Amino acid sequence: GAGVSQSPSNKVTEKGKDVELRCDPISGHTALYWYRQRLGQGLEFLIYFQGNSAPDKSGLPSDRFSAERTGESVSTLTIQRTQQEDSAVYLCASSLPKRTSGVLLKSSYEQYFGPGTRLTVT
Amino acid sequence: GIQVEQSPPDLILQEGANSTLRCNFSDSVNNLQWFHQNPWGQLINLFYIPSGTKQNGRLSATTVATERYSLLYISSSQTTDSGVYFCAVERRSGGGADGLTFGKGTHLIIQP
Repeated sequence: GAGVSQSPSNKVTEKGKDVELRCDPISGHTALYWYRQRLGQGLEFLIYFQGNSAPDKSGLPSDRFSAERTGESVSTLTIQRTQQEDSAVYLCASSLPKRTSGVLLKSSYEQYFGPGTRLTVT
Repeated sequence: GIQVEQSPPDLILQEGANSTLRCNFSDSVNNLQWFHQNPWGQLINLFYIPSGTKQNGRLSATTVATERYSLLYISSSQTTDSGVYFCAVERRSGGGADGLTFGKGTHLIIQP
């Protein structure tokens, strides 16, 4: 597609249930990021994938959060046993990786964001 | 981690006015981006500008990496410019990718 897509656009769930959020990056973008935006706040980095490499999970807020990526395409963010404080907009971004002298760097080029999934935990 | 401070936090202007938004950051960066978040929550890329100056229509941006700040200029403001403007950086140091660290944003309101 032309841009990053995410689904669902909105999700309402009961406290304690598990939810799965999906991200389709821009074709050819090997770097993929998940962020969270709480109401009235800036974005908070959660996790990063670079191609098939093991993800950088350092930003995940708790062990209830996990993410997977199939090859260099779709990613899913799973939140288990949701809590009310998990209510937020979850945004996904993708980018081309930076390369210098043919060496792949872990830092990113310009990141492009999807429209987000608004999660409400009741 | 890296700190990102944006100012002013809120700005109300009349249509046609010019404005300057500032972003200060606490460490060397590989990546600096400016975004406009529209009322529907979509983040719109304005500039990728880890250093130097760029212009795009009524908008321009300058990053002085050695002094760790960036400025976003909006000229001849229009009501459609209203929204939240975010500065986001990725620090240069570190063995892995930290993702972008966002400032708290400048909430801009353009009145007709």
